[in-house]
Amino acid sequence: SQQGEEDPQALSIQEGENATMNCSYKTSINNLQWYRQNSGRGLVHLILIRSNEREKHSGRLRVTLDTSKKSSSLLITASRAADTASYFCATVSISGNTPLVFGKGTRLSVIA
Amino acid sequence: DSGVTQTPKHLITATGQRVTLRCSPRSGDLSVYWYQQSLDQGLQFLIQYYNGEERAKGNILERFSAQQFPDLHSELNLSSLELGDSALYFCASSPGGGDTGELFFGEGSRLTVL
Repeated sequence: SQQGEEDPQALSIQEGENATMNCSYKTSINNLQWYRQNSGRGLVHLILIRSNEREKHSGRLRVTLDTSKKSSSLLITASRAADTASYFCATVSISGNTPLVFGKGTRLSVIA
Repeated sequence: DSGVTQTPKHLITATGQRVTLRCSPRSGDLSVYWYQQSLDQGLQFLIQYYNGEERAKGNILERFSAQQFPDLHSELNLSSLELGDSALYFCASSPGGGDTGELFFGEGSRLTVL
């Protein structure tokens, strides 16, 4: 079964707006990662946040992690049409000995 | 470019047939992972190999098998294909066997079973 569940399943915004995607997971984690996938292409790693971190930034990306609620959010600020893609969260278990488990993703459309 | 190479990019075959998907990991990476992506099931982990040995197994059907060769490339064999096996199959690699860091994904092999 899927570990992470992204919300919403789909999101459509105007260029320049911020996009927020949420992820919930079920078990204790070592870290949580966000990936991006352009239509029909491979997944590309965006950012990794460890279980002892609460917030992390990378360029226009901001990720938060709340381990008490078993949830994370990905914020993309000042979105661009090129940000149109699917975004997936993935978790590494606290034991660290099982591969990444992915959610079903959020499909983001940024309209120019 | 992630450095992970997958072939073929597209494959169309008939039910009951057998296909082999190939993956070359990034230079220096010892682990290879196979994932299946379909519309209804999302991205499902199939199997991981580390330095030639099976390291972890996920939701891989008995009709599917994989191996990693001494040169570290990997093959995923899918047999007795069914319509429901149509999906994107991704290979990913990482440096070690118990990595907790990022995975590097190939562009995928799109399998269509008719």
